[in-house]
Amino acid sequence: EVQLVESGGGLVRPGGSLRLSCSASGFMFSSFSMTWVRQAPGKGLEWVANIYQDGSEKYYVDSVKGRFTISRDNSKNSLFLQMNSLRAEDTAVYYCARDVITLVRGVIVGYYLDYWGQGTVVTVAS
Amino acid sequence: DIQMTQSPSFLSAYVGDRVTITCRASQSIGSSLNWYQQKPEKAPKVLIFAASSLQSGVPSRFAGSGSGTDFTLTINNLQPEDFVTYFCQQSYSVPYSFGQGTRLEIK
Repeated sequence: EVQLVESGGGLVRPGGSLRLSCSASGFMFSSFSMTWVRQAPGKGLEWVANIYQDGSEKYYVDSVKGRFTISRDNSKNSLFLQMNSLRAEDTAVYYCARDVITLVRGVIVGYYLDYWGQGTVVTVAS
Repeated sequence: DIQMTQSPSFLSAYVGDRVTITCRASQSIGSSLNWYQQKPEKAPKVLIFAASSLQSGVPSRFAGSGSGTDFTLTINNLQPEDFVTYFCQQSYSVPYSFGQGTRLEIK
């Protein structure tokens, strides 16, 4: 059974740092790219960052570039999100999710998130 | 970045109704469009990927269509458990943005 379990959330002051972790099990972690998505209280979903299977490529939404770093340790089936210079607007539930490639006649036409963790809450407040 | 606009934001319907939710991309995204359902306090769950492919285990009353910039999610014969929130997402180019969501309410 595929499982993703996030941890590391909590209350932090503006300007502070947190490191989120996502522990994966039930699948070959090293074969999938992974994504962080967040959801502010009462708001919609925001795609935050993505990392390739081998960590060679990483992508971020503009609002976190230069402050957040996505990484992974395939030997430990773990995904991370290092969050620095946190702001009030970073307050959200953070989900990790597994990416699945969509192929049409052998051509990559997109990706979707097929398994999600339960989320970890990050609150940035003084 | 690609902007995704969902409409309506709120939708009221009866059990047994058919409803349609629309998602429009700010530029052509081919068929790189996914639909998710989110129940309160739960992680989202994928319903449709690549605009019209039904995820395994998802009831056939859910259907997706469209390409380019305009997409629709249709839910036939609404069931009580369908009255939750739906999001579209483009996976054409990073950042893989979501629509703002559509909350479906029981009338």
